[in-house]
Amino acid sequence: GQNIDQPTEMTATEGAIVQINCTYQTSGFNGLFWYQQHAGEAPTFLSYNVLDGLEEKGRFSSFLSRSKGYSYLLLKELQMKDSASYLCAVRKGGGATNKLIFGTGTLLAVQP
Amino acid sequence: DAMVIQNPRYQVTQFGKPVTLSCSQTLNHNVMYWYQQKSSQAPKLLFHYYDKDFNNEADTPDNFQSRRPNTSFCFLDIRSPGLGDAAMYLCATSTGGSFGEQYFGPGTRLTVT
Repeated sequence: GQNIDQPTEMTATEGAIVQINCTYQTSGFNGLFWYQQHAGEAPTFLSYNVLDGLEEKGRFSSFLSRSKGYSYLLLKELQMKDSASYLCAVRKGGGATNKLIFGTGTLLAVQP
Repeated sequence: DAMVIQNPRYQVTQFGKPVTLSCSQTLNHNVMYWYQQKSSQAPKLLFHYYDKDFNNEADTPDNFQSRRPNTSFCFLDIRSPGLGDAAMYLCATSTGGSFGEQYFGPGTRLTVT
């Protein structure tokens, strides 16, 4: 079976730091993606981890521990425009077609 | 700009009336995907094409079909839409290979009356 768990909602303050956690149990693992999705819009790619450790891209960082089936997305210097849903997605297995299994997403509300 | 385009953005159809959603891409990617996303739920993969090879997910209803006439275009056909098929339909593309970030189109929101 497969299961990807994220908190349903989070609230944070403009300028602060927020960490969004994702735990997964999947039959096969070949990388973990984070996507941002604003209401009514398509998901946009934020980050990708396939090895353990931290990947940093500007205000966004993502961490992976494969042994623990755990990842987090860290958002620094929060801005109002960061209010969105954040989707964790696991790529299963090898091969060329990069099938993703998505979590249900964490809806982040950034408050002034 | 290279991109993934979906038309129409909003589609209303009647219960049982066939409907086709379209997706085109200028990225020249090998792989094209169709996802269904219902409100407050995760995108759910329906099927994907690697070039001309069609791959159906085991739990995708027979009511959903797809066509990919060439690299650039992919269609989602819903033969007899039910009220439960109302959702956002997302098209995505990727290259093949070990990374293959997926690029999503803006989606088509389908309403079934």
